[in-house]
Amino acid sequence: TQLLEQSPQFLSIQEGENLTVYCNSSSVFSSLQWYRQEPGEGPVLLVTVVTGGEVKKLKRLTFQFGDARKDSSLHITAAQPGDTGLYLCAGGRTSYGKLTFGQGTILTVHP
Amino acid sequence: DAGITQSPRHKVTETGTPVTLRCHQTENHRYMYWYRQDPGHGLRLIHYSYGVKDTDKGEVSDGYSVSRSKTEDFLLTLESATSSQTSVYFCAISDSDRIVREQFFGPGTRLTVL
Repeated sequence: TQLLEQSPQFLSIQEGENLTVYCNSSSVFSSLQWYRQEPGEGPVLLVTVVTGGEVKKLKRLTFQFGDARKDSSLHITAAQPGDTGLYLCAGGRTSYGKLTFGQGTILTVHP
Repeated sequence: DAGITQSPRHKVTETGTPVTLRCHQTENHRYMYWYRQDPGHGLRLIHYSYGVKDTDKGEVSDGYSVSRSKTEDFLLTLESATSSQTSVYFCAISDSDRIVREQFFGPGTRLTVL
């Protein structure tokens, strides 16, 4: 079983602070996706990274895929209350589009 | 928004009873997935389907069965519900088996087994 370890599990910060969420595995994934989930809703895709070393930016969010494709990080600059939510990383396996999800990081940004 | 609905949205049932959850899509996507979400575990794949009548097990399939008789519907059945199956269940769809493709998730079903 390919496992994804996500850290930290909880993050509570003030508006304007920076933060990084990590997603690590001992296995290589073909791709890594980051989803965001709000209470009472399903996850929504933020980004997909597929190449080792790849960096993608989405406004104040920066996503990186490790060179060996075993880890990824999500960095948020100047967090805002609207960033509050559950962030999930998901590693792509090779068949039928199946994903392995990390445990999730609950982010709370206080005004 | 992708057209995915799940029913019921909430259900309370008793141990030992059968339960069926329904996922309905209007996107004509080939691939459908059932996940359960529990605190500290993220989302775990229960079963998936890669076409009508084509299904396979995920990582936590014990105690669950699925059926897909038409493209738009994917049913998840708990044959004899147990308290350990109390969870939030999500259905997801995808138009491709390519792992770079997005999975679109339904709103979830909160199931409580007493």
